Amino acid sequence: DVKVTQSSRYLVKRTGEKVFLECVQDMDHENMFWYRQDPGLGLRLIYFSYDVKMKEKGDIPEGYSVSREKKERFSLILESASTNQTSMYLCASSFGQGINTGELFFGEGSRLTVL
Amino acid sequence: AQSVTQPDIHITVSEGASLELRCNYSYGATPYLFWYVQSPGQGLQLLLKYFSGDTLVQGIKGFEAEFKRSQSSFNLRKPSVHWSDAAEYFCAVSPSGGYQKVTFGIGTKLQVIP
Repeated sequence: DVKVTQSSRYLVKRTGEKVFLECVQDMDHENMFWYRQDPGLGLRLIYFSYDVKMKEKGDIPEGYSVSREKKERFSLILESASTNQTSMYLCASSFGQGINTGELFFGEGSRLTVL
Repeated sequence: AQSVTQPDIHITVSEGASLELRCNYSYGATPYLFWYVQSPGQGLQLLLKYFSGDTLVQGIKGFEAEFKRSQSSFNLRKPSVHWSDAAEYFCAVSPSGGYQKVTFGIGTKLQVIP
C-alpha cells in the first residue's frame, strides 16, 4: 500500500513562529502536493512539485513556501505563522506524467493551531 | 479554469436507505473525475474514478458513480447506506492530460441515523 506520512498530527504554534510541516511518501511518486482544508471551503492547493527541487504555486501560496530536496520528501514552511493559517494541512502524492491518472494518495493530515 | 460544485453541504439518511450525492463540474473537455471519502480525523481515500469508457463506474465499499456529459455531472450513489458510511465526501476533477492539477469541491457531510 502507498504510504504518505505526515510528521505531526497536531501542532500548536504562536504567531510569528516558523513552522515546518514534513511529508514523506514511500511509493516513488514524482508528484507531491500540499493542500489546506477548511470547513465550507473544501481543499485548496497551496503548492505542488513535479520533481526534486521543482515547485509550482497552487491557488493560495501566499504566506507559504515549500522545499523538495529528495524525491520522497516534501516540506511546507510557514515563515511567520499567523492566526489565519490555523487549518488542517493535507499532503498528497501521485504518479508522474507517464502514468499519471490524477489519483492522489493522502496523508492523515496535520492540524495546525496558531495562537 | 476547472471547477467543481457540490450543492449539498450536509445530508442525513437513515441506515439502509439509498444515497445520492450530487457533483457538477466545469471543464472544457472530458476530465478525469473522482470521488474521495474522508472519515473524521483522517486523510482522504479514493472511492472511485472515471477516465473514459463505461460511464457507470464501480468503486469500493459498494459505491458507484455515473458520468453524464450532457449534464456535466458525476453523482455518487449507494443502494443501501451503512452507519459506517458517515463521513465527508469530496468530488474532484483534473485535466485528462499533462500535469495534473486536481480541483476539489467543498464536500458533502453525510450523517447516517439508525
